[in-house]
Amino acid sequence: DAKTTQPTSMDCAEGRAANLPCNHSTISGNEYVYWYRQIHSQGPQYIIHGLKNNETNEMASLIITEDRKSSTLILPHATLRDTAVYYCIVRDSGGTYKYIFGTGTRLKVLA
Amino acid sequence: NAGVTQTPKFRILKIGQSMTLQCTQDMNHNYMYWYRQDPGMGLKLIYYSVGAGITDKGEVPNGYNVSRSTTEDFPLRLELAAPSQTSVYFCAIKTRGTDTQYFGPGTRLTVL
Repeated sequence: DAKTTQPTSMDCAEGRAANLPCNHSTISGNEYVYWYRQIHSQGPQYIIHGLKNNETNEMASLIITEDRKSSTLILPHATLRDTAVYYCIVRDSGGTYKYIFGTGTRLKVLA
Repeated sequence: NAGVTQTPKFRILKIGQSMTLQCTQDMNHNYMYWYRQDPGMGLKLIYYSVGAGITDKGEVPNGYNVSRSTTEDFPLRLELAAPSQTSVYFCAIKTRGTDTQYFGPGTRLTVL
């Protein structure tokens, strides 16, 4: 099964960039990496996804290494409202449409 | 929540009782998912469906049943509730052409 590994928790000062790493060494060649976040007990919210190239949208940037075995989500100017659990996920490698969420990274943005 | 509706929002069950968690979507998406999230933990996939009449097991299917008779509805059934099923249950849909999932607001279930 495709799996991801993330640090359990991170702190970031408000206004600074938050860099959240993820390892996905078993990712298949045509599988995307997806990032979601979950604030309090709400349903996870989609942030960004990518395949090979770096991606940017209004919420974040995604940097994927050339070998695709890891990626980094960047929140360029973290605010207190970015405090959440961030999940990096990939599709299950068995060719199904199952998605494996790990335990995520609990990001705390400090004032 | 991208048109994903879950009911009820909260429920308390006694051990051995049964119930159905409802999930409805109004955007004709084929792919639907049920996840559970235990306190302080990540999401675990229970069951998923790739279209009406087609369902498959996820990581933690034991103790649950699903059906998908229509595109809109994907109910999750607990037949004999156990304390280990105390959790928050999220339903999600996947949009066509992408793997992006959109989640409902969740159902918080407590089994006593």
